[in-house]
Amino acid sequence: GAGVSQSPSNKVTEKGKDVELRCDPISGHTALYWYRQRLGQGLEFLIYFQGNSAPDKSGLPSDRFSAERTGESVSTLTIQRTQQEDSAVYLCASSLAIRVEQFFGPGTRLTVL
Amino acid sequence: AQSVAQPEDQVNVAEGNPLTVKCTYSVSGNPYLFWYVQYPNRGLQFLLKYITGDNLVKGSYGFEAEFNKSQTSFHLKKPSALVSDSALYFCAEGAFTGGGNKLTFGTGTQLKVEL
Repeated sequence: GAGVSQSPSNKVTEKGKDVELRCDPISGHTALYWYRQRLGQGLEFLIYFQGNSAPDKSGLPSDRFSAERTGESVSTLTIQRTQQEDSAVYLCASSLAIRVEQFFGPGTRLTVL
Repeated sequence: AQSVAQPEDQVNVAEGNPLTVKCTYSVSGNPYLFWYVQYPNRGLQFLLKYITGDNLVKGSYGFEAEFNKSQTSFHLKKPSALVSDSALYFCAEGAFTGGGNKLTFGTGTQLKVEL
């Protein structure tokens, strides 16, 4: 079956612009996660959604970052007024439940000029 | 706070030789540990996990990992390395809080397998 997909694969934007990143999880996966991977670093947790529960936003670095998920489907991560330090690969993952492995998408490489 | 350490930025090994990629974790109690691999321009792929049970966990592509509670380690191993194993390897620890599983990742270890 299809894996986690993300779009766009690459995004170049100018400082101060807003960007929206999309994630399509594996069908049936109730949990969805967003991570950020800066060059040469490990992944940083940003936010997760689990079913209809309130999302855990504890990893969002600032109020410029927000995310939404409709039911158990698509999620969008929005970064407002982008800054150069937002440049990174943004990875989305989904899982069937909380105590199992997460499956990752290919990521969106964001470059803020 | 959780932390995962991968003390080696890069590991070089000859094809056919055994390989070890090191990982240590911080949480006390019963940790949930994972290994992922990242090939160039591709997303992370799950290799194996330790939740409970046998300390030696077997995963994909012939990899295995040994959970050692006394040393708080979860080293990734393979008896005979292949050139195609060359990639970036991440160790991660799960925190099951509030109904979700937030993974804390190490900084990654670049594995280079040479002929």
